[in-house]
Amino acid sequence: DAKTTQPTSMDCAEGRAANLPCNHSTISGNEYVYWYRQIHSQGPQYIIHGLKNNETNEMASLIITEDRKSSTLILPHATLRDTAVYYCIVRVAGSGTYKYIFGTGTRLKVLA
Amino acid sequence: DAGVTQSPTHLIKTRGQQVTLRCSPISGHKSVSWYQQVLGQGPQFIFQYYEKEERGRGNFPDRFSARQFPNYSSELNVNALLLGDSALYLCASSLEAARVNQPQHFGDGTRLSIL
Repeated sequence: DAKTTQPTSMDCAEGRAANLPCNHSTISGNEYVYWYRQIHSQGPQYIIHGLKNNETNEMASLIITEDRKSSTLILPHATLRDTAVYYCIVRVAGSGTYKYIFGTGTRLKVLA
Repeated sequence: DAGVTQSPTHLIKTRGQQVTLRCSPISGHKSVSWYQQVLGQGPQFIFQYYEKEERGRGNFPDRFSARQFPNYSSELNVNALLLGDSALYLCASSLEAARVNQPQHFGDGTRLSIL
């Protein structure tokens, strides 16, 4: 079972910030939060990841709460091309490897 | 630089047949993982390989098998195909298997349809 819960869908106006929430209340101390997005008919695209500090890159910002039980992905100026399914994932450890357990994600629709 | 490449992009098979899907990781990446994505759902983990050894296996039947070659490319084999095996099969690569803070990078998948 996925270790994260996300809203099923969200809308955002073009040019505005898109804030995508994620709950991961059972996250362990050394587990990272990863965000990916998947545009129709393509493979998931890596966006950003973090442990406990806020992170920013050229695509997005990741805000993780102090208790690490939730996080928010921020797309600062959403464009139509940001319309996609966004997955929040906690990477799970086991026997010398780490695997992703995906949920059903948030379907973000950016509106013109 | 080339990303993860998968072949073929589309494939149609009939029930009972066998299929082999191929994946070439990003240059320098030594770990390959396979995922199955059924329509409307998130990807599900099938296997992870690192240095030609299986490092992880998801909850899939023995009809699913994989291997990794010395050049780190990988094949996923599925025997005795069922209608329920129709899905997008994704390959992801990463530098290593056991570094929790290294992202996996995905290919665009092979869409397998079973008739």
